[in-house]
Amino acid sequence: GAVVSQHPSRVICKSGTSVKIECRSLDFQATTMFWYRQFPKKSLMLMATSNEGSKATYEQGVEKDKFLINHASLTLSTLTVTSAHPEDSSFYICSASHANYEQYFGPGTRLTVT
Amino acid sequence: GQQVMQIPQYQHVQEGEDFTTYCNSSTTLSNIQWYKQRPGGHPVFLIQLVKSGEVKKQKRLTFQFGEAKKNSSLHITATQTTDVGTYFCAGSGSARQLTFGSGTQLTVLP
Repeated sequence: GAVVSQHPSRVICKSGTSVKIECRSLDFQATTMFWYRQFPKKSLMLMATSNEGSKATYEQGVEKDKFLINHASLTLSTLTVTSAHPEDSSFYICSASHANYEQYFGPGTRLTVT
Repeated sequence: GQQVMQIPQYQHVQEGEDFTTYCNSSTTLSNIQWYKQRPGGHPVFLIQLVKSGEVKKQKRLTFQFGEAKKNSSLHITATQTTDVGTYFCAGSGSARQLTFGSGTQLTVLP
């Protein structure tokens, strides 16, 4: 099956700093990538949808200036959490999709803001 | 907006018992997908249902899509300890975005 990688898998940062998370589709070209946030023992909450070469579409309540998304190529999307605060601590998961509706998920990034 | 509700939230079964999780959407779906997330892991795609009334089987797992394309179920026959995890349904409307249900956390007692 299709493989999606995420880097880093874990990151700890200080409050006020920015963190970049990368999502890569390793063996296919992803026309669309999605970013989710998951709180402990909760469901996945869609944050934004990004299509290669265009601006991301953010879900209601997600601050686009705080969560910067760049989808520079068909295999790479990045999420930057700017001026991170402890409440941004969470599990961030990306997924990638190509021709069909199936989404392939990355392994996730555990962000802890101290 | 589209909402997808899933019940039960938790289910504990003895190994060998059956298990079912149900999913209901507030709107008609173009398709529904099911994912499994093991503890500490990420969601893994299980199946996609597209047609009204569709039933698909994968070994001990049976997936159904309702006639109105607003509800779905996942049934596991004779659960095993390897079935442990959280099962999510995810509905897709006109766009490619998925709206995930709240998940059902399955515990299988040996």
